[in-house]
Amino acid sequence: DADVTQTPRNRITKTGKRIMLECSQTKGHDRMYWYRQDPGLGLRLIYYSFDVKDINKGEISDGYSVSRQAQAKFSLSLESAIPNQTALYFCATTGSAGWTGELFFGEGSRLTVL
Amino acid sequence: QKEVEQNSGPLSVPEGAIASLNCTYSDRGSQSFFWYRQYSGKSPELIMFIYSNGDKEDGRFTAQLNKASQYVSLLIRDSQPSDSATYLCAALSSNTGKLIFGQGTTLQVKP
Repeated sequence: DADVTQTPRNRITKTGKRIMLECSQTKGHDRMYWYRQDPGLGLRLIYYSFDVKDINKGEISDGYSVSRQAQAKFSLSLESAIPNQTALYFCATTGSAGWTGELFFGEGSRLTVL
Repeated sequence: QKEVEQNSGPLSVPEGAIASLNCTYSDRGSQSFFWYRQYSGKSPELIMFIYSNGDKEDGRFTAQLNKASQYVSLLIRDSQPSDSATYLCAALSSNTGKLIFGQGTTLQVKP
């Protein structure tokens, strides 16, 4: 089983619908991140959380919200999806102690907004 | 100007050749740099990191850092078709402590 699990892996939805992407991890890490990846734009940080009570905006947080339900769970919500939120979304985790810069990524959630 | 810039490619090299992937960054305070590899349809994985000026070698991979020129590179010797992937350069921001990724360079190694 993957250490960082994302659900759903693929989702097609319509403009205006609410969507939740879920991430859970078994690595025992305290830091969790949500990125989106678009062709030619690389990975851009949406939100990140260093522990259950800590939530921070990344560089492209508008139109998104997150919830850190537990140390192991971090969900990303699109309250009212729009077509330009069509992208590949990655959850990532890392520990804080002696951090080497290595992020552990989930397998990705491909979202299409029609 | 993007904080971390890479040529999107694709970079095409023949099998056995040296592939050279380049990256520039704008944050002079950045001290740590990373190369992630992403196969098509897969998630990124860390392959190299470098903190000090100069070269760092790991098998067929060599990372090079020149802080004065704000330049990072990844050399892949004896390139194999299995090296075909997108390579993401990342810098650790001195302001936020977060990784800033470039847009990635697609490498194609032709048999």
